[in-house]
Amino acid sequence: GAGVSQSPRYKVAKRGQDVALRCDPISGHVSLFWYQQALGQGPEFLTYFQNEAQLDKSGLPSDRFFAERPEGSVSTLKIQRTQQEDSAVYLCASSSTWVYQAKNIQYFGAGTRLSVL
Amino acid sequence: AQKITQTQPGMFVQEKEAVTLDCTYDTSDPSYGLFWYKQPSSGEMIFLIYQGSYDQQNATEGRYSLNFQKARKSANLVISASQLGDSAMYFCAMREGEGAQKLVFGQGTRLTINP
Repeated sequence: GAGVSQSPRYKVAKRGQDVALRCDPISGHVSLFWYQQALGQGPEFLTYFQNEAQLDKSGLPSDRFFAERPEGSVSTLKIQRTQQEDSAVYLCASSSTWVYQAKNIQYFGAGTRLSVL
Repeated sequence: AQKITQTQPGMFVQEKEAVTLDCTYDTSDPSYGLFWYKQPSSGEMIFLIYQGSYDQQNATEGRYSLNFQKARKSANLVISASQLGDSAMYFCAMREGEGAQKLVFGQGTRLTINP
């Protein structure tokens, strides 16, 4: 596709509900990242995939957060038993190579704004 | 300690003027990369410019340039001839260390261009 696509753009959940956020990366991009952006803050890293392998999940705040990328393309971030503190914008980014290159640009989607009531 | 510090929560500039957005970083790793992103109200993070720690020259991309002062650990973004469409949040970010993939972001600066 032309860019990183995320859906839904907005999600309202009642506390305790499970949610699933989808990310379609740029076609052919090997690496995929999820970030969480609280209101008025910079994005914070959640997790990273290289193809279908989840290589770094050090930023996931709790075991209620789970991410997958089963076929190495589309990724889903799932949050179980949502809490009010999960309210944030969830950003997905992709980049074209897993090989470390200093200038490996991450291209971002527009994000999913999650509001937990 | 904050890895990336952006000390200007908000900046107001007249159209057509140049503006400098400040960014300082903290790392002991000799290999790192510094990035600037723009985030308009639509929410998407737009890549603007990159500077590598080993780059000898300051990066430039059109109206954007990066004032890289390695000894001071600063990587300020300079926007020349500002336009109304430059109004947005601007984030400085760092990728730290060989093999690293994730970006660490600062708190951002909200830039407003006045006509």
